[in-house]
Amino acid sequence: RKEVEQDPGPFNVPEGATVAFNCTYSNSASQSFFWYRQDCRKEPKLLMSVYSSGNEDGRFTAQLNRASQYISLLIRDSKLSDSATYLCVVNGMDSSYKLIFGSGTRLLVRP
Amino acid sequence: EADIYQTPRYLVIGTGKKITLECSQTMGHDKMYWYQQDPGMELHLIHYSYGVNSTEKGDLSSESTVSRIRTEHFPLTLESARPSHTSQYLCASSPPGSGRRVEQFFGPGTRLTVL
Repeated sequence: RKEVEQDPGPFNVPEGATVAFNCTYSNSASQSFFWYRQDCRKEPKLLMSVYSSGNEDGRFTAQLNRASQYISLLIRDSKLSDSATYLCVVNGMDSSYKLIFGSGTRLLVRP
Repeated sequence: EADIYQTPRYLVIGTGKKITLECSQTMGHDKMYWYQQDPGMELHLIHYSYGVNSTEKGDLSSESTVSRIRTEHFPLTLESARPSHTSQYLCASSPPGSGRRVEQFFGPGTRLTVL
Protein backbone atom coordinates (compact mmCIF):
# COMPACT_ATOMS: atom_id res chain seq x y z
CA ARG A 1 0.00 0.00 0.00
CA LYS A 2 1.32 3.45 -0.91
CA GLU A 3 1.92 5.88 1.94
CA VAL A 4 -0.16 8.54 0.20
CA GLU A 5 -2.96 7.56 -2.17
CA GLN A 6 -4.86 9.78 -4.56
CA ASP A 7 -7.39 9.26 -7.33
CA PRO A 8 -5.33 9.97 -10.46
CA GLY A 9 -8.29 11.42 -12.38
CA PRO A 10 -8.41 13.21 -14.70
CA PHE A 11 -11.27 15.30 -13.43
CA ASN A 12 -12.74 17.10 -16.42
CA VAL A 13 -15.01 19.96 -15.28
CA PRO A 14 -16.52 23.09 -16.84
CA GLU A 15 -15.45 26.55 -15.77
CA GLY A 16 -17.28 27.64 -12.65
CA ALA A 17 -17.71 24.13 -11.31
CA THR A 18 -16.86 23.03 -7.80
CA VAL A 19 -14.52 20.06 -7.61
CA ALA A 20 -13.19 18.06 -4.68
CA PHE A 21 -10.10 15.87 -4.42
CA ASN A 22 -9.46 13.30 -1.73
CA CYS A 23 -6.31 11.74 -0.39
CA THR A 24 -5.58 9.09 2.23
CA TYR A 25 -2.34 8.57 4.11
CA SER A 26 -1.06 5.55 6.00
CA ASN A 27 1.09 7.03 8.80
CA SER A 28 -1.15 7.94 11.73
CA ALA A 29 1.78 9.85 13.31
CA SER A 30 2.07 12.33 10.41
CA GLN A 31 2.00 15.94 11.51
CA SER A 32 2.45 17.99 8.34
CA PHE A 33 0.03 18.03 5.43
CA PHE A 34 0.10 20.04 2.24
CA TRP A 35 -1.43 20.41 -1.17
CA TYR A 36 0.99 21.22 -3.97
CA ARG A 37 0.14 22.14 -7.52
CA GLN A 38 2.24 20.95 -10.46
CA ASP A 39 1.77 22.23 -13.98
CA CYS A 40 2.82 20.07 -16.90
CA ARG A 41 6.62 19.70 -17.03
CA LYS A 42 7.08 22.24 -14.23
CA GLU A 43 8.14 22.00 -10.60
CA PRO A 44 5.61 21.50 -7.78
CA LYS A 45 4.54 24.67 -6.00
CA LEU A 46 2.98 24.87 -2.58
CA LEU A 47 -0.74 25.58 -2.83
CA MET A 48 -1.60 25.46 0.83
CA SER A 49 -0.81 23.82 4.12
CA VAL A 50 -3.58 21.77 5.73
CA TYR A 51 -4.41 22.36 9.38
CA SER A 52 -6.50 20.26 11.75
CA SER A 53 -9.18 22.92 11.93
CA GLY A 54 -9.45 23.18 8.18
CA ASN A 55 -8.37 26.25 6.28
CA GLU A 56 -9.45 28.34 3.36
CA ASP A 57 -7.54 30.46 0.87
CA GLY A 58 -9.83 32.24 -1.56
CA ARG A 59 -11.54 29.60 -3.70
CA PHE A 60 -9.56 26.76 -2.12
CA THR A 61 -10.54 24.92 1.06
CA ALA A 62 -8.51 22.14 2.67
CA GLN A 63 -9.77 19.73 5.31
CA LEU A 64 -7.98 17.17 7.45
CA ASN A 65 -9.63 14.19 9.15
CA ARG A 66 -7.03 12.59 11.41
CA ALA A 67 -9.33 9.80 12.57
CA SER A 68 -9.85 8.60 9.01
CA GLN A 69 -6.39 9.70 7.83
CA TYR A 70 -8.00 11.61 5.03
CA ILE A 71 -7.26 15.00 3.44
CA SER A 72 -9.43 16.88 1.00
CA LEU A 73 -9.13 19.88 -1.28
CA LEU A 74 -12.17 21.75 -2.53
CA ILE A 75 -11.92 24.20 -5.43
CA ARG A 76 -14.90 26.49 -5.98
CA ASP A 77 -15.68 28.45 -9.13
CA SER A 78 -13.02 26.63 -11.19
CA LYS A 79 -10.95 28.70 -13.60
CA LEU A 80 -9.19 27.54 -16.75
CA SER A 81 -5.93 28.37 -14.97
CA ASP A 82 -6.70 25.80 -12.28
CA SER A 83 -5.91 23.02 -14.78
CA ALA A 84 -2.95 21.21 -13.27
CA THR A 85 -2.02 18.17 -11.22
CA TYR A 86 -2.70 18.48 -7.49
CA LEU A 87 -0.33 16.61 -5.20
CA CYS A 88 -1.27 15.50 -1.71
CA VAL A 89 1.82 15.62 0.53
CA VAL A 90 2.44 14.25 4.02
CA ASN A 91 5.57 14.16 6.16
CA GLY A 92 7.41 10.84 6.14
CA MET A 93 7.30 8.02 8.66
CA ASP A 94 10.86 8.36 9.86
CA SER A 95 11.34 12.09 9.78
CA SER A 96 9.11 15.09 9.95
CA TYR A 97 11.36 16.87 7.45
CA LYS A 98 10.96 14.31 4.68
CA LEU A 99 7.82 14.65 2.62
CA ILE A 100 5.96 11.87 0.85
CA PHE A 101 4.23 12.96 -2.35
CA GLY A 102 1.14 11.34 -3.74
CA SER A 103 1.10 10.62 -7.45
CA GLY A 104 -1.35 13.48 -7.98
CA THR A 105 -4.84 14.12 -9.26
CA ARG A 106 -5.09 15.73 -12.66
CA LEU A 107 -7.67 18.48 -13.14
CA LEU A 108 -8.80 19.74 -16.54
CA VAL A 109 -11.07 22.79 -16.55
CA ARG A 110 -12.79 23.32 -19.89
CA PRO A 111 -14.40 26.53 -21.23
CA GLU B 1 8.80 33.14 -5.58
CA ALA B 2 11.34 30.74 -4.08
CA ASP B 3 14.98 31.63 -4.73
CA ILE B 4 16.23 28.21 -5.68
CA TYR B 5 18.11 27.63 -8.91
CA GLN B 6 19.07 24.62 -10.94
CA THR B 7 21.46 24.33 -13.87
CA PRO B 8 21.42 23.14 -16.50
CA ARG B 9 17.69 23.16 -17.20
CA TYR B 10 18.10 20.62 -20.00
CA LEU B 11 20.96 18.20 -20.62
CA VAL B 12 21.38 15.63 -23.37
CA ILE B 13 24.48 13.52 -22.92
CA GLY B 14 26.01 10.26 -24.06
CA THR B 15 26.34 7.08 -22.04
CA GLY B 16 29.37 6.90 -19.75
CA LYS B 17 29.80 10.65 -19.24
CA LYS B 18 30.19 12.16 -15.80
CA ILE B 19 27.67 14.87 -15.04
CA THR B 20 26.97 17.27 -12.19
CA LEU B 21 23.59 18.87 -11.70
CA GLU B 22 23.81 22.14 -9.79
CA CYS B 23 21.37 23.39 -7.19
CA SER B 24 21.67 26.61 -5.21
CA GLN B 25 19.35 28.49 -2.89
CA THR B 26 19.70 31.98 -1.46
CA MET B 27 17.12 31.68 1.30
CA GLY B 28 19.46 30.38 4.01
CA HIS B 29 17.54 27.11 4.21
CA ASP B 30 19.33 24.40 6.15
CA LYS B 31 17.56 21.42 4.56
CA MET B 32 17.89 20.47 0.91
CA TYR B 33 16.56 17.57 -1.15
CA TRP B 34 16.89 15.89 -4.53
CA TYR B 35 13.92 14.19 -6.16
CA GLN B 36 13.60 12.18 -9.34
CA GLN B 37 10.37 12.31 -11.33
CA ASP B 38 9.47 10.48 -14.52
CA PRO B 39 6.69 11.95 -16.72
CA GLY B 40 3.26 11.47 -15.16
CA MET B 41 4.71 9.74 -12.12
CA GLU B 42 5.21 10.71 -8.49
CA LEU B 43 8.30 12.34 -7.05
CA HIS B 44 10.81 10.03 -5.41
CA LEU B 45 13.34 11.31 -2.86
CA ILE B 46 16.87 10.22 -3.78
CA HIS B 47 19.05 12.36 -1.46
CA TYR B 48 18.66 14.85 1.34
CA SER B 49 20.76 17.00 3.61
CA TYR B 50 19.93 18.63 6.93
CA GLY B 51 22.99 20.87 6.92
CA VAL B 52 26.60 21.33 5.91
CA ASN B 53 28.54 18.03 5.74
CA SER B 54 25.31 16.07 6.27
CA THR B 55 23.93 13.91 3.44
CA GLU B 56 21.63 10.90 3.43
CA LYS B 57 20.21 8.59 0.81
CA GLY B 58 16.50 8.88 0.17
CA ASP B 59 13.79 6.32 -0.32
CA LEU B 60 14.60 5.54 -3.95
CA SER B 61 17.94 3.91 -4.59
CA SER B 62 20.10 6.03 -6.88
CA GLU B 63 23.58 5.68 -8.34
CA SER B 64 24.10 9.40 -7.94
CA THR B 65 26.03 11.07 -5.14
CA VAL B 66 25.68 14.46 -3.48
CA SER B 67 27.75 16.82 -1.37
CA ARG B 68 26.95 19.71 0.94
CA ILE B 69 30.04 21.79 1.55
CA ARG B 70 28.17 25.10 1.69
CA THR B 71 24.69 25.79 3.02
CA GLU B 72 23.46 27.24 -0.23
CA HIS B 73 24.83 24.60 -2.61
CA PHE B 74 23.77 20.94 -3.07
CA PRO B 75 25.15 19.44 -6.29
CA LEU B 76 24.27 15.97 -7.56
CA THR B 77 26.80 13.90 -9.52
CA LEU B 78 26.46 10.88 -11.76
CA GLU B 79 29.90 9.32 -12.36
CA SER B 80 28.80 7.38 -15.45
CA ALA B 81 25.48 8.30 -17.00
CA ARG B 82 23.26 5.57 -18.44
CA PRO B 83 19.97 5.69 -20.39
CA SER B 84 18.17 4.48 -17.22
CA HIS B 85 19.13 7.81 -15.60
CA THR B 86 16.95 9.71 -18.06
CA SER B 87 14.45 11.61 -15.92
CA GLN B 88 13.65 14.98 -14.40
CA TYR B 89 15.69 15.88 -11.33
CA LEU B 90 14.13 18.38 -8.92
CA CYS B 91 15.99 20.12 -6.12
CA ALA B 92 14.12 21.50 -3.10
CA SER B 93 14.89 23.23 0.16
CA SER B 94 13.07 23.94 3.40
CA PRO B 95 13.69 26.42 6.21
CA PRO B 96 14.68 25.73 9.80
CA GLY B 97 11.74 24.69 11.96
CA SER B 98 9.52 21.70 12.63
CA GLY B 99 5.93 20.59 12.53
CA ARG B 100 3.88 22.59 10.09
CA ARG B 101 6.71 24.76 8.90
CA VAL B 102 8.46 22.13 6.81
CA GLU B 103 7.05 22.99 3.41
CA GLN B 104 9.58 22.52 0.65
CA PHE B 105 10.32 24.94 -2.15
CA PHE B 106 11.38 23.57 -5.51
CA GLY B 107 13.77 24.64 -8.20
CA PRO B 108 12.70 24.51 -11.86
CA GLY B 109 14.31 21.09 -12.40
CA THR B 110 16.86 19.59 -14.75
CA ARG B 111 15.54 17.42 -17.53
CA LEU B 112 18.25 14.82 -18.24
CA THR B 113 18.36 12.63 -21.33
CA VAL B 114 21.10 10.02 -21.63
CA LEU B 115 21.54 8.58 -25.10
